[in-house]
Amino acid sequence: GESVGLHLPTLSVQEGDNSIINCAYSNSASDYFIWYKQESGKGPQFIIDIRSNMDKRQGQRVTVLLNKTVKHLSLQIAATQPGDSAVYFCAENPSRGKLQFGAGTQVVVTP
Amino acid sequence: GAGVSQSPRYKVAKRGQDVALRCDPISGHVSLFWYQQALGQGPEFLTYFQNEAQLDKSGLPSDRFFAERPEGSVSTLKIQRTQQEDSAVYLCASSPGQSQETQYFGPGTRLLVL
Repeated sequence: GESVGLHLPTLSVQEGDNSIINCAYSNSASDYFIWYKQESGKGPQFIIDIRSNMDKRQGQRVTVLLNKTVKHLSLQIAATQPGDSAVYFCAENPSRGKLQFGAGTQVVVTP
Repeated sequence: GAGVSQSPRYKVAKRGQDVALRCDPISGHVSLFWYQQALGQGPEFLTYFQNEAQLDKSGLPSDRFFAERPEGSVSTLKIQRTQQEDSAVYLCASSPGQSQETQYFGPGTRLLVL
């Protein structure tokens, strides 16, 4: 994937507001997509997934939208909380087993 | 119900030294994956096991990298003659079945090669 070095795109959100994180995926053959949250010093933590036969899936406070026409994925977080501050990665499954991760978005929640 | 565990959590190696990184997947998980994560970047796929069979090693950067899972549970990633560019976090993940399932990640091993 593309490298953004040490300077991840950053989304600054006020506590209580909704967050939208966007991701463009690259492989038309991918039929499974996942969003992960990664806090400093920890491994990626599963948030929500979606298969290509769906265009929307909801979880607790999170919604994933998939637009296969333009190869775009988004994660919406409702009522963002300080604990939501982390780096968020989208990942696609272009072939059996392998996940291909996007560059990541740093979410900073301000009081 | 422990998650994926990895050891050591931190490893400092001198250039040229061999290192071995261990991954204990979630009990009963069939598939095991290794990823490399450089600072400020997303994880990059290294290799994938289904039980003891290594089905994909296309992401291993060189023949200095070797992974095994001899009994279909614990896995070891070995790096021979470490180089400075090997410095990264090495993540292990496991999933219950064969493919297209959620991969659950461990905390990673942070390797620093001096």
